[in-house]
Amino acid sequence: GAGVSQSPSNKVTEKGKDVELRCDPISGHTALYWYRQSLGQGLEFLIYFQGNSAPDKSGLPSDRFSAERTGGSVSTLTIQRTQQEDSAVYLCASSQRQGQISPYNEQFFGPGTRLTVL
Amino acid sequence: AQSVAQPEDQVNVAEGNPLTVKCTYSVSGNPYLFWYVQYPNRGLQFLLKYITGDNLVKGSYGFEAEFNKSQTSFHLKKPSALVSDSALYFCAVRDSNSGNTPLVFGKGTRLSVIA
Repeated sequence: GAGVSQSPSNKVTEKGKDVELRCDPISGHTALYWYRQSLGQGLEFLIYFQGNSAPDKSGLPSDRFSAERTGGSVSTLTIQRTQQEDSAVYLCASSQRQGQISPYNEQFFGPGTRLTVL
Repeated sequence: AQSVAQPEDQVNVAEGNPLTVKCTYSVSGNPYLFWYVQYPNRGLQFLLKYITGDNLVKGSYGFEAEFNKSQTSFHLKKPSALVSDSALYFCAVRDSNSGNTPLVFGKGTRLSVIA
């Protein structure tokens, strides 16, 4: 596709349930990022994948959060035993075409998944 | 450590007037600076970036931003605001020495353009 896609667009779940959020980055982009945007807050970095390197998990708020990226493309963010404070919009972004590693590559964002934990 | 500050949560401007959305940053090396816009229920869209060269950068939708190294600022500007410019604006920075690590974002400034 032309841009970053995310699914589902909206997810309502009950407290204590597990959820999976999917991100499909732009083809050829080797870097993939997950952010969380809570109401009235900026973007909170969660996790970052760069090619085949070990992911940077420094932003994950607790061990209930995990993410994987299969085959260097699609990524899944999993939240186990969801809590009400997990309610937010989860944004995925990708950047960098192969062979163009550069700190000035902008990130391209998907539309986000709005998670509501009841 | 890298950081970004957007001192205004909300900016209100009348349609046709010039607008400015403020951003200051802190990095240890040279900054790469970005502006993004988020319309309601949408993801973030890239507007413009400063890498090197001319301090005045022009971007999408008639926006521009001016890099000021001495003031460590990268304010977003537009000569004549449109109602359709109403949105949430984010400034972001990456240190030139940091590789392709995640951008550090400000908390955002909500721009409201009044007809």
